[in-house]
Amino acid sequence: ILNVEQSPQSLHVQEGDSTNFTCSFPSSNFYALHWYRWETAKSPEALFVMTLNGDEKKKGRISATLNTKEGYSYLYIKGSQPEDSATYLCASPPHTGKLIFGQGTTLQVKP
Amino acid sequence: NAGVMQNPRHLVRRRGQEARLRCSPMKGHSHVYWYRQLPEEGLKFMVYLQKENIIDESGMPKERFSAEFPKEGPSILRIQQVVRGDSAAYFCASSLSGPLGNQPQHFGDGTRLSIL
Repeated sequence: ILNVEQSPQSLHVQEGDSTNFTCSFPSSNFYALHWYRWETAKSPEALFVMTLNGDEKKKGRISATLNTKEGYSYLYIKGSQPEDSATYLCASPPHTGKLIFGQGTTLQVKP
Repeated sequence: NAGVMQNPRHLVRRRGQEARLRCSPMKGHSHVYWYRQLPEEGLKFMVYLQKENIIDESGMPKERFSAEFPKEGPSILRIQQVVRGDSAAYFCASSLSGPLGNQPQHFGDGTRLSIL
């Protein structure tokens, strides 16, 4: 069974703070690592898909890194804004395309 | 709107009735996935389909649940003889390709199913 774990479960930061969260996954039979942002009352939105060890991806103030040998990925948000408040999900597909999601990290950014 | 379309957004059924949830993937996408979010839980994979084929149904309950993605028309998730425990949000996603898992999945807004 593939277990994807995320920490912390929730995070409260002040506007302007930078923050990061962790996703850990089994490093054997690795195919890809996905990050999604899920705002309340909306649908999950894809942020990044990473496949290679050492991958780094960036989208505006959000970036992610990948270490497939030790089985973890970090998501960083620089200068958090209230609109960054959401649940951030990571997911890893096993041998088929289905995604196994972690429980998510819920971020609250206070103005 | 070229995104993933799910309908209905909300569905109320009485115990024992049937529920049909529909999903039209993004234009050009032939891979469809269904996920379920039970109350206070995360997203859990149910089934992965390509046109006319079920690729992986390892997350589907053994009884009462079925899914199809016909050559023409939307993908349908069907729940027969619904019970209270089926109350959940059901999300559909689609992607350009599937098996390697290296394409992002695009999600619909979900169907909230409530069983009375």
